[in-house]
Amino acid sequence: GAGVSQSPSNKVTEKGKDVELRCDPISGHTALYWYRQRLGQGLEFLIYFQGNSAPDKSGLPSDRFSAERTGESVSTLTIQRTQQEDSAVYLCASSWDRALNTEAFFGQGTRLTVV
Amino acid sequence: AQSVTQPDIHITVSEGASLELRCNYSYGATPYLFWYVQSPGQGLQLLLKYFSGDTLVQGIKGFEAEFKRSQSSFNLRKPSVHWSDAAEYFCAALSGAGSYQLTFGKGTKLSVIP
Repeated sequence: GAGVSQSPSNKVTEKGKDVELRCDPISGHTALYWYRQRLGQGLEFLIYFQGNSAPDKSGLPSDRFSAERTGESVSTLTIQRTQQEDSAVYLCASSWDRALNTEAFFGQGTRLTVV
Repeated sequence: AQSVTQPDIHITVSEGASLELRCNYSYGATPYLFWYVQSPGQGLQLLLKYFSGDTLVQGIKGFEAEFKRSQSSFNLRKPSVHWSDAAEYFCAALSGAGSYQLTFGKGTKLSVIP
């Protein structure tokens, strides 16, 4: 597609439920990132995928968070047993690779509200 | 620890006035530096970036930023603000070649008075 697409755009869930967030990167982009943006905060790095290499999961805040990506296609971020502190905007970005002369393009994000 | 600081949480300027948004970084070596803009309900858009060379960087939408090593700063400027510039602005940094974890500041929200 023309840009990074994320779905759903908004998600309201009850505490304790599992949620799955989807990211469709720009076609051909090998690198994919997930970030979390909590109210009044900057973006926190969550996870990075590069091609078929092992992902960097160092930013995932707890074992309730996991993410998958098949090859260079869609990625899903799953949050199990959601807590109110998980409420945030989850942003996905993709780029050609991690070379610094490439730009990371961000999706519009998924706003997650845990009630 | 590596960090990016944006001292101003919220700035209000009149349309047509000049703008400067501050960004300071704390890194062992000069990082690669970026400014992003986030309009309501939108993702982040890259305004400009600095890797090396000329310390005055031109970006899109009439923005520029100046890298000052002595002050560990990378401030964003625009000579004449338009109402459509109202948005949140994020400064970000990468620790160097091969790095991919962008570290973001907490953002500065810009309001523009007509």
